[in-house]
Amino acid sequence: DAGVIQSPRHEVTEMGQEVTLRCKPISGHDYLFWYRQTMMRGLELLIYFNNNVPIDDSGMPEDRFSAKMPNASFSTLKIQPSEPRDSAVYFCASSSAYAGSFQETQYFGPGTRLLVL
Amino acid sequence: KNQVEQSPQSLIILEGKNCTLQCNYTVSPFSNLRWYKQDTGRGPVSLTIMTFSENTKSNGRYTATLDADTKQSSLHITASQLSDSASYICVVSEGSSNTGKLIFGQGTTLQVKP
Repeated sequence: DAGVIQSPRHEVTEMGQEVTLRCKPISGHDYLFWYRQTMMRGLELLIYFNNNVPIDDSGMPEDRFSAKMPNASFSTLKIQPSEPRDSAVYFCASSSAYAGSFQETQYFGPGTRLLVL
Repeated sequence: KNQVEQSPQSLIILEGKNCTLQCNYTVSPFSNLRWYKQDTGRGPVSLTIMTFSENTKSNGRYTATLDADTKQSSLHITASQLSDSASYICVVSEGSSNTGKLIFGQGTTLQVKP
């Protein structure tokens, strides 16, 4: 398996523009997670899905952020409109069980480095 | 408030030396604790997962310890290599079930010099 695939790897955009980040989880994994990582705040869980259904979106910073999972092999994280403070590395991860469970091993993608000017 | 604190924030050691990274948490109830290694420009990779009943778990040159009474964990790296240079993140899962919230530490950045 190719692992978790994210695109684009790098994104530079101007404030106010819409940004869409994409993720393809590992085949067969039922859970998909979106994280944001910054120097100031470290790694933060934004939202996670189980069987394509959003379970916990309490980490989504505000209404400008939205995430979808139309099928088991694809998810998007959208920021509209983007702001400079959204600049961060966004990771997607998948696992066969919930990330907090005893047996889980969570696999992270390479991340998308977002810079909003 | 549930928190995970890691120390030191950064560390520089010489190749071949040992080091220990610390993780203190106030998460309650506690489910499990894991250590991740994150190389620069990459996503985190799981090193160990420990439940409250486990005191020690090893993964090659990495050994994690857990003291559930004092709510402390450590990650010991033996005979460090240049490839150990990375950030190490401690994550604690809250709750008594398998769906507890994940609480992340800020990470310790380790640099191994030749």
